[in-house]
Amino acid sequence: GAVVSQHPSWVICKSGTSVKIECRSLDFQATTMFWYRQFPKQSLMLMATSNEGSKATYEQGVEKDKFLINHASLTLSTLTVTSAHPEDSSFYICSASGLSGDNEKLFFGSGTQLSVL
Amino acid sequence: QQQVKQSPQSLIVQKGGIPIINCAYENTAFDYFPWYQQFPGKGPALLIAIRPDVSEKKEGRFTISFNKSAKQFSLHIMDSQPGDSATYFCAAFGSGTYKYIFGTGTRLKVLA
Repeated sequence: GAVVSQHPSWVICKSGTSVKIECRSLDFQATTMFWYRQFPKQSLMLMATSNEGSKATYEQGVEKDKFLINHASLTLSTLTVTSAHPEDSSFYICSASGLSGDNEKLFFGSGTQLSVL
Repeated sequence: QQQVKQSPQSLIVQKGGIPIINCAYENTAFDYFPWYQQFPGKGPALLIAIRPDVSEKKEGRFTISFNKSAKQFSLHIMDSQPGDSATYFCAAFGSGTYKYIFGTGTRLKVLA
């Protein structure tokens, strides 16, 4: 299967600082990347969808000025949590699709556990 | 219409048992139905997937059964092992909207 690398795997930051999470497709060109948020023992909540070179589409209720998404190339998308607060603490997971011949298959990164103090 | 209902919420089976996880959907525009396995602190991993023109698909010990008329699909894990203990998510994908809708997850525990 295709490999999606997400970094860092965990991060602790102080309230008010910004945190950047990277998501890379290592062996395929990801035409679309998705960012999810997951609370303990709950399902995946889609935050936004991004296509290379265009602005991300945010789901209802997700603050686009707080969660900045950049999809600058076909292999890299970043999520920046700006002015993080304790309520932003969560598990963030990226995923990517676009594998040639299997465009609907979604491959996930390993996730980033964010803790805001 | 966009929901995917998954049951049960949790499941405990003995080693060698066959846990079955069920999902139901409403939107007939969905055309791809994957199952994902997630271990604690990790991202979900694609396990097996099916399209609506097929009623069953097997890959190793994992089988998907698909009932198009009932708009239901299920995951069967044959000869389950303690290493299968994880959370399983079903999903439905529509190529028209290019969106995934995930089920609520099933926490499976296989006892040794």
